Parts: sequence; structure tokens; C-alpha cells
Amino acid sequence: EAQVTQNPRYLITVTGKKLTVTCSQNMNHEYMSWYRQDPGLGLRQIYYSMNVEVTDKGDVPEGYKVSRKEKRNFPLILESPSPNQTSLYFCASSFSRELGETQYFGPGTRLLVL
Amino acid sequence: AQKITQTQPGMFVQEKEAVTLDCTYDTSDPSYGLFWYKQPSSGEMIFLIYQGSYDQQNATEGRYSLNFQKARKSANLVISASQLGDSAMYFCAMRVYYTGNQFYFGTGTSLTVIP
Repeated sequence: EAQVTQNPRYLITVTGKKLTVTCSQNMNHEYMSWYRQDPGLGLRQIYYSMNVEVTDKGDVPEGYKVSRKEKRNFPLILESPSPNQTSLYFCASSFSRELGETQYFGPGTRLLVL
Repeated sequence: AQKITQTQPGMFVQEKEAVTLDCTYDTSDPSYGLFWYKQPSSGEMIFLIYQGSYDQQNATEGRYSLNFQKARKSANLVISASQLGDSAMYFCAMRVYYTGNQFYFGTGTSLTVIP
């Protein structure tokens, strides 16, 4: 089954404790992306990658890191999480950078930073 | 700057009626695509419909149609014959091509279908 998977689905952590949210897709997609969703703000792009070893900042990259060492994986790293990073996070992928290619979303990761 | 605006935080529609969800966009990129996604209460994001900036005809997908008015920079979603299962959050999104290939989302419209 074609899908984007994220782990963990739910995470409670404390301020400053490094964490990684994994994202993997099995569709051989070139383009991958991370978003955060907050009430009243919609989805905001954190980072995106158009291919292996190519990553770019989205609108809200501060406090986050990503890497794209393999085509299928695009982990999101919070080196020192803070309470304002409490949010719902989505990973997404699309076949290419072409405009008509929609994104396929993972199920989301709910993060609470205490 | 690239921006998507959805001015209707919440909408109600009677079952079997049609409803229009508004979306306006702003971009200086000559090539862009406009998407609508549905997010039910379960949280997943579901792709509904796509319109490219060079497309001459409005996109349609089943009960969904996109009313694309390029001069007005609007891309409204029309849902015909609303069903109870249409109750969800709806997001308009834009993908630009030359200026970074980012996606930009609106703040969403919560649609409630009344029996």
C-alpha cells in the first residue's frame, strides 16, 4: 500500500530533550516536506526537500533540523524543544516538484512539550 | 510575498444544498498550482482538487469544482449536493514553481453539514 508513515504518532517530552520524528514514504517520491498545524494558523511549511541531500527552509524553520540521506526518509529533528513547538506535525511527499503533483500526507504526530 | 487567505472560519450548509468556500491567493510567481484539501475530525489530510495557473477550464472532480478567477486571484471550492460526511475542515493551498517550490496553506474553513 502506497503511504507516508510517521513515528511516533503521539509524543510528550520536556523542554530541551532532543527528539526525532521519523517520516518514510514508499512511493519513490522526490519531494518531501514537513508542516506544523496550529489552531487558527493552518498548516505552515517547516522544511522541504526536492531530492536526496537537497533541503530548503520553509516559512517556520527556526528550532528544527532535517536531513535527506535517502530518498524514502525525511526525519524532523528538534535539538532543544520548547513549549512553543507543541503542535500537530505532518510529513508529506509528492512525486516531483511539478505543480500538478499533489502531496500525500502522513497521519500526523501530536507533540506536547512541557 | 506568497499568501493564501480563507476568510470564512466556519460555514453551515443544509444537506443536499451546494456550498462555496472562499479562497484568495497572492503570488508574484507566474507558475503556480492551487489545491484544496479536506481534513475530517480524524485528522488526515485528503486531496480534493487541483487547478493550474495556466489551465483554461475550471477543474471538477465529482461533486467538487474549483471556481478559478485568475484576474481576481480567487480559487473558490464549490461542493454540490452536500452530504453529512462533508463536515470537515477545508484548506486551500498554493504551490509555486519558480520561487522555491513551496506550499502555502490558508487557515482553513470549518464546514458543518446540517441534516
